[in-house]
Amino acid sequence: DSGVTQTPKHLITATGQRVTLRCSPRSGDLSVYWYQQSLDQGLQFLIQYYNGEERAKGNILERFSAQQFPDLHSELNLSSLELGDSALYFCASSVGGGSNQPQHFGDGTRLSIL
Amino acid sequence: TQLLEQSPQFLSIQEGENLTVYCNSSSVFSSLQWYRQEPGEGPVLLVTVVTGGEVKKLKRLTFQFGDARKDSSLHITAAQPGDTGLYLCAGELWTSYGKLTFGQGTILTVHP
Repeated sequence: DSGVTQTPKHLITATGQRVTLRCSPRSGDLSVYWYQQSLDQGLQFLIQYYNGEERAKGNILERFSAQQFPDLHSELNLSSLELGDSALYFCASSVGGGSNQPQHFGDGTRLSIL
Repeated sequence: TQLLEQSPQFLSIQEGENLTVYCNSSSVFSSLQWYRQEPGEGPVLLVTVVTGGEVKKLKRLTFQFGDARKDSSLHITAAQPGDTGLYLCAGELWTSYGKLTFGQGTILTVHP
């Protein structure tokens, strides 16, 4: 158990819909990262927050947004969903937001778009 | 083109054999992490290497960071069925605070 909690574990929805994925980091961790894992692209970094502020951005689509709340939990919002958005979405957390921080991953949310 | 090229993609071996997984890039990394992922679970951190030439051992697993900080390897001695899983390398560029770039992964199957 990494200590990172992601909900829900599975999500099935239709194209055009909007969903929210939730992540609670390990106790004491200030930084949260979001990743997307698909068969063809592998694990891709989406975005990082540190203590409530956006720290780094990857190839995150404009239809996707995230935020980190004062209690340090984070949410990833995906809108206007397309079939290609079907993937595993992982959240990871670390103590700090700088370099060489070991990242601890949750068990992911499997998103299926029908 | 992947920033981190991981090889081989698939490895199927018998229990007791040795194996090496490689992670190569033309870019220089400030650190490199190795993860293992099992079906239905998130990646689990095995090791972080930060110094060029660094070697770290974790029981039967040996991790090495290249002198030029562009490559890394994972060597498993006397593999066991419990080692079966997806092994991922992930590097952090000097200019990317916390942003990990992952290799495509190596699916290892160890047969009893």
